[in-house]
Amino acid sequence: KAGVTQTPRYLIKTRGQQVTLSCSPISGHRSVSWYQQTPGQGLQFLFEYFSETQRNKGNFPGRFSGRQFSNSRSEMNVSTLELGDSALYLCASSPGSMGDTEAFFGQGTRLTVV
Amino acid sequence: GENVEQHPSTLSVQEGDSAVIKCTYSDSASNYFPWYKQELGKRPQLIIDIRSNVGEKKDQRIAVTLNKTAKHFSLHITETQPEDSAVYFCAAEGRNYGQNFVFGPGTRLSVLP
Repeated sequence: KAGVTQTPRYLIKTRGQQVTLSCSPISGHRSVSWYQQTPGQGLQFLFEYFSETQRNKGNFPGRFSGRQFSNSRSEMNVSTLELGDSALYLCASSPGSMGDTEAFFGQGTRLTVV
Repeated sequence: GENVEQHPSTLSVQEGDSAVIKCTYSDSASNYFPWYKQELGKRPQLIIDIRSNVGEKKDQRIAVTLNKTAKHFSLHITETQPEDSAVYFCAAEGRNYGQNFVFGPGTRLSVLP
């Protein structure tokens, strides 16, 4: 069974640009969550999608958005990039609604904003 | 909201010794507590989890204990090996606060040969 796949693995963008990251969950998993990981802030929850609907949202500005498709693949978009958006972005998939079931992480997309 | 504290932030042990990482949480309604191991440059990997209806769970050299009354849970690694060196994150269910999991800040474990 294939694991969680994130693309691309690395990205370098300029301030003010926008970026789209992709996450393909484990087959059969319907929940996808996104996290931002930085050395100083640890793992910060961005949002969760379940059956194409955003279920939960963390405390990030509206520049961070996402969506989920009917095949459970999810995309995350960040507009008007800032230097502080440089981070490792991780997605995690789960069979059901996360929080009470095991979740599996992708390898992440490392975004560098210059 | 749910708050998860984790101690220590760094831990160094000699190979073969035991390591213990402790976490506390604030939401008494949380029922699921996973532990993740993240090696340098790799994804966090689930290594063990526990639900609130049990007090302890073991998987070979790894065990987790949960005290719901005190709202704390701990990861125990016995007979540590160099490949156990990594950052370990605990997490607690955070659905009551609009999140899936709330993660602790992590513990960097170094196993010295």
